[in-house]
Amino acid sequence: GAVVSQHPSRVICKSGTSVKIECRSLDFQATTMFWYRQFPKQSLMLMATSNEGSKATYEQGVEKDKFLINHASLTLSTLTVTSAHPEDSSFYICSAPELRGPNTGELFFGEGSRLTVL
Amino acid sequence: SQQGEEDPQALSIQEGENATMNCSYKTSINNLQWYRQNSGRGLVHLILIRSNEREKHSGRLRVTLDTSKKSSSLLITASRAADTASYFCATGETSGSRLTFGEGTQLTVNP
Repeated sequence: GAVVSQHPSRVICKSGTSVKIECRSLDFQATTMFWYRQFPKQSLMLMATSNEGSKATYEQGVEKDKFLINHASLTLSTLTVTSAHPEDSSFYICSAPELRGPNTGELFFGEGSRLTVL
Repeated sequence: SQQGEEDPQALSIQEGENATMNCSYKTSINNLQWYRQNSGRGLVHLILIRSNEREKHSGRLRVTLDTSKKSSSLLITASRAADTASYFCATGETSGSRLTFGEGTQLTVNP
């Protein structure tokens, strides 16, 4: 299957700093990527849909000025958590969809980034 | 409430036994998928079943879909300790659209 690489896998930062998480599709082009957030022992909550060359679409309740998404190329989407606070500590996971073939709709996930804000 | 509710929330079985997890959803769907997540890791796709399909197999996995009841089940046969993970169902309203995930079932397979 396709490979999605996410970096960094873990980051610890001080409150008030900004953190950038990168999501790359390694062997395919991803015009769309999805960013999810997961709290411990909970499910994945969709934060936003990243679209190459255009603005991201944010889910209700997700602050677009807080979580900046950039999808500048067909293989890279970035999520920047601005002015991070302890309540932003979570596991952030990106994914890209398979858009052709019999498994259209399948998501390929990155390994996730665990953010801890002190 | 959330699309995609799963039960049980947690399941503990012995190696060699079968594990069955259920998922219910509320809206019309194009497809339903099952994913596996090891602790602290990303998700791995297991199987996709489309709304016009009723059953699908992949190795030791068997998935059923009942669109009239808006429910699906995942059966893992002859479980192994390595199957220990969280299992999530996810629904897509159109092909290639975003997925909405269920709450997940934590499966523990004891050796």
